[in-house]
Amino acid sequence: QKEVEQNSGPLSVPEGAIASLNCTYSDRGSQSFFWYRQYSGKSPELIMSIYSNGDKEDGRFTAQLNKASQYVSLLIRDSQPSDSATYLCAVKGLTGGGNKLTFGTGTQLKVEL
Amino acid sequence: DTEVTQTPKHLVMGMTNKKSLKCEQHMGHRAMYWYKQKAKKPPELMFVYSYEKLSINESVPSRFSPECPNSSLLNLHLHALQPEDSALYLCASSPTGSTIDQPQHFGDGTRLSIL
Repeated sequence: QKEVEQNSGPLSVPEGAIASLNCTYSDRGSQSFFWYRQYSGKSPELIMSIYSNGDKEDGRFTAQLNKASQYVSLLIRDSQPSDSATYLCAVKGLTGGGNKLTFGTGTQLKVEL
Repeated sequence: DTEVTQTPKHLVMGMTNKKSLKCEQHMGHRAMYWYKQKAKKPPELMFVYSYEKLSINESVPSRFSPECPNSSLLNLHLHALQPEDSALYLCASSPTGSTIDQPQHFGDGTRLSIL
């Protein structure tokens, strides 16, 4: 079982719709969760972080965390073509002294006009 | 543009060459990281420096040699690389390595091609 799992996609949504990206993780000791956006040929860019159960909203982005289910998601409201990218879920636990980030394989999002 | 600066942006080298990748940050971060990323794959951790000391080496071949001369600089020395080492090399930093809720911020990367 992979440590951090994401559906590779592509996930296609029409412009203006809500995009829902999901991530599950296997280590129950995981404490910090991050979503990175990566455009083709570019480096990952941090867009959201979440540490406690529930929802966290930042503009059009909402991160949701359920530690009991070992599940974290990212919702993108009013999706725009510029949101088309690969979204990487990353999880941090106590492994490696707390500074080791484990990435999922990423979900490719395509927002269509 | 990111606050983590990597040079060069592109590097082409032969298998017998020696070259270095450079990473610099002026955010006062005390943890710095090297990752390798192949196409359509997630970043893979290579090395972690915490307070200028190597804290994690993910069993990286010795042809990759990291160096942290001071708290703002991180180098990756390359020697006798193989074609499969061609990839995007990413540097990242975080305030410290030991606090669990600190995100890592990435530089733009160096795209390395081995001939």
